Amino acid sequence: DVKVTQSSRYLVKRTGEKVFLECVQDMDHENMFWYRQDPGLGLRLIYFSYDVKMKEKGDIPEGYSVSREKKERFSLILESASTNQTSMYLCASSLVAHRSSPLHFGNGTRLTVT
Amino acid sequence: TQLLEQSPQFLSIQEGENLTVYCNSSSVFSSLQWYRQEPGEGPVLLVTVVTGGEVKKLKRLTFQFGDARKDSSLHITAAQPGDTGLYLCAGGIAGGTSYGKLTFGQGTILTVHP
Repeated sequence: DVKVTQSSRYLVKRTGEKVFLECVQDMDHENMFWYRQDPGLGLRLIYFSYDVKMKEKGDIPEGYSVSREKKERFSLILESASTNQTSMYLCASSLVAHRSSPLHFGNGTRLTVT
Repeated sequence: TQLLEQSPQFLSIQEGENLTVYCNSSSVFSSLQWYRQEPGEGPVLLVTVVTGGEVKKLKRLTFQFGDARKDSSLHITAAQPGDTGLYLCAGGIAGGTSYGKLTFGQGTILTVHP
């Protein structure tokens, strides 16, 4: 089974802090994604990566950046955390750039910015 | 940005009842996936439909993809408390630059009471 591991289940940070969310997958998947999940809004794509060092903006990239130095690891960076970035963050991976490739999700990081 | 409207947002029913969740868009999707998410976990794929008019069954769950590939439904027969969770539909986009990105609906929180 594919395993996607997010390094923290819960994080509490202060406004203005730089925050790193880490994600590792163990199945050699090409694609990796960061979503945020908010009640009533579903999952919204922040950034995704289709190869090492390659990244593309999703629907809500403002205030975020990403890093993919190795195939198995995809990091989400909040350059200066703000209270409106309090949310559940989900990392996912998929095998190939195919229309029906399923996403394999981690268990999420619940970030609170105070 | 392609949008998926999912309804209802909340569903609270008694064990044994039937229910249907709808997912609608004005856009055409190359595939439609349904995920289920339990508290504290990431979404897990239930099914993928790729052909207009396709119907798939997973025990008491029946998934249908609309003929025009703009809508989908999830029907649960004789719901059980174990079906409780958040159900998410997600549309896939065809094309070389899609990289397996999915657009998610807002989600349906289903509660089945014993």
